[in-house]
Amino acid sequence: QKEVEQDPGPLSVPEGAIVSLNCTYSNSAFQYFMWYRQYSRKGPELLMYTYSSGNKEDGRFTAQVDKSSKYISLFIRDSQPSDSATYLCAMSARNSGGYQKVTFGTGTKLQVIP
Amino acid sequence: KAGVTQTPRYLIKTRGQQVTLSCSPISGHRSVSWYQQTPGQGLQFLFEYFSETQRNKGNFPGRFSGRQFSNSRSEMNVSTLELGDSALYLCASSLRGGDGYTFGSGTRLTVV
Repeated sequence: QKEVEQDPGPLSVPEGAIVSLNCTYSNSAFQYFMWYRQYSRKGPELLMYTYSSGNKEDGRFTAQVDKSSKYISLFIRDSQPSDSATYLCAMSARNSGGYQKVTFGTGTKLQVIP
Repeated sequence: KAGVTQTPRYLIKTRGQQVTLSCSPISGHRSVSWYQQTPGQGLQFLFEYFSETQRNKGNFPGRFSGRQFSNSRSEMNVSTLELGDSALYLCASSLRGGDGYTFGSGTRLTVV
């Protein structure tokens, strides 16, 4: 079983819809939770970075962390065609040397149809 | 401010050859991490360097190696290339490591 599970999609939604992207994880040592967006032929870019359980909002994006259920979500409100990309969840935990090690989900491909 | 620069952008190599990829992190970032990205496996962690020391390592064979210089620039080397090494290799820099990466655009390696 992978430490981080993410539905690969693809997920296709009409413009203006609310999008929900999710990841589950098995390692209770994960401390930091991130969402990255990756456009075709580009490297991932950091969208959201959270530490604690609860919600964090940034414009149209809301990241939600539920540590008790080992479940994180990214919500995109009023989705736009420019949101069409692959979304990767990531989370980090300290390794035996005390340094953060980041593990990525495989990514969910999102297409927003005009 | 300048982003993370990876060179070259594209590379075609023959099985058995070796290859060296380069990454220049954002100025002031001391942590450089390398990832391999393939359609089937997603982003797989190779290693992380911080102030010229490797402090994290993924589960890749010894053919994959890296180093970091005093100016934080990093190189990764793959020896005895195999067809399965064909992938997008991404470099990510951060201030401390694990605190949110800035990725480069990657080097697309094709092994034939």
